[in-house]
Amino acid sequence: AQSVTQLDSQVPVFEEAPVELRCNYSSSVSVYLFWYVQYPNQGLQLLLKYLSGSTLVKGINGFEAEFNKSQTSFHLRKPSVHISDTAEYFCAVRNDYNTDKLIFGTGTRLQVFP
Amino acid sequence: DVKVTQSSRYLVKRTGEKVFLECVQDMDHENMFWYRQDPGLGLRLIYFSYDVKMKEKGDIPEGYSVSREKKERFSLILESASTNQTSMYLCASSPVGGAAYEQYFGPGTRLTVT
Repeated sequence: AQSVTQLDSQVPVFEEAPVELRCNYSSSVSVYLFWYVQYPNQGLQLLLKYLSGSTLVKGINGFEAEFNKSQTSFHLRKPSVHISDTAEYFCAVRNDYNTDKLIFGTGTRLQVFP
Repeated sequence: DVKVTQSSRYLVKRTGEKVFLECVQDMDHENMFWYRQDPGLGLRLIYFSYDVKMKEKGDIPEGYSVSREKKERFSLILESASTNQTSMYLCASSPVGGAAYEQYFGPGTRLTVT
């Protein structure tokens, strides 16, 4: 089965600074990767996903992620964050081949300061 | 607009009570999921249902059961609530082949067992 590691539990950053949230997954033949965001007191919503093709994936709210097969990573980036980006971010990977289940990482709390 | 609703946002129950958490989706999705979210542990899958009356145990099914009598509704049951089941519970749904599609999440139910 797959596993997901989010290396940073908290990332503090000032407004308009760039940010990178790190995600590593265990290797597999076929990988589907996702980033979800959870705003305070809400459920999760999809930011972006990688299924195949271009390794640079663009998502909503100016976020993007790069799939790196050799490093088994799928880091999330934004060149300039806003206060409204303060939230918890979860990386997820398909649990196993031929399944609809996902394995989620432990989450990274992004705190944006003015 | 797609929607997953959960019956309560906040719930307080006593130890030993039988607790029902209800989830309804209006997207005609085959798959439905119940997760538990705890700080530092991320989302952990409790149960998964891929069709009416069909279910599959997730990573932490102990102390929980589920019911899916209709396609749109997926219930999580705590037969005898305990304090270690105090947590945030999230319901999600997705179409079959859902690993290639996003899971849609409800707003969550914060359950406190005293």
